[in-house]
Amino acid sequence: AQRVTQPEKLLSVFKGAPVELKCNYSYSGSPELFWYVQYSRQRLQLLLRHISRESIKGFTADLNKGETSFHLKKPFAQEEDSAMYYCALRGQGAQKLVFGQGTRLTINP
Amino acid sequence: EAGVVQSPRYKIIEKKQPVAFWCNPISGHNTLYWYLQNLGQGPELLIRYENEEAVDDSQLPKDRFSAERLKGVDSTLKIQPAELGDSAVYLCASSSDTIGEAFFGQGTRLTVV
Repeated sequence: AQRVTQPEKLLSVFKGAPVELKCNYSYSGSPELFWYVQYSRQRLQLLLRHISRESIKGFTADLNKGETSFHLKKPFAQEEDSAMYYCALRGQGAQKLVFGQGTRLTINP
Repeated sequence: EAGVVQSPRYKIIEKKQPVAFWCNPISGHNTLYWYLQNLGQGPELLIRYENEEAVDDSQLPKDRFSAERLKGVDSTLKIQPAELGDSAVYLCASSSDTIGEAFFGQGTRLTVV
């Protein structure tokens, strides 16, 4: 079974501080992992995917198969990073995304 | 580019009434998804279309939910009759193929009273 766990429903950090949103997954094969973001009053949109190995808006995420994790990190948080963040998994040969419950990130000034 | 367009944005209905949601995917996108998002939860897949064929509807409650995608473009999702527990946000998404990025619509927020 495919499962994505985001242990923190809420996360609050100060502007300029490092931020890490945790994501753990359960899947027996080689998954594809994603982070989606939803800003206030906007639609859900892709932030980054692990196969791209790129940094978007200063965010990075590394797939750790040993720990089955895909944590999202940013060294210096900005106020505009405040949003809802969802980790998602797509299994081999599967086309649907399985989402975590989401983490609401608030950046305090 | 308008992106994925859904209507209506909000809908309030009484229980036992029917309701329908409409989705217009991004032009040229063959894959279309309907997701259900309950309050405080992540989206969960209801049904996936490849062109006009429903290829994954295992999570669709078929006793009251139905969907169609005529001509492989627009899609409608229907609930009949609606129950209180159906109150949620219904999201439509599309992608160019089965492995491409999924683009989401704004969603339809359904409230059943």
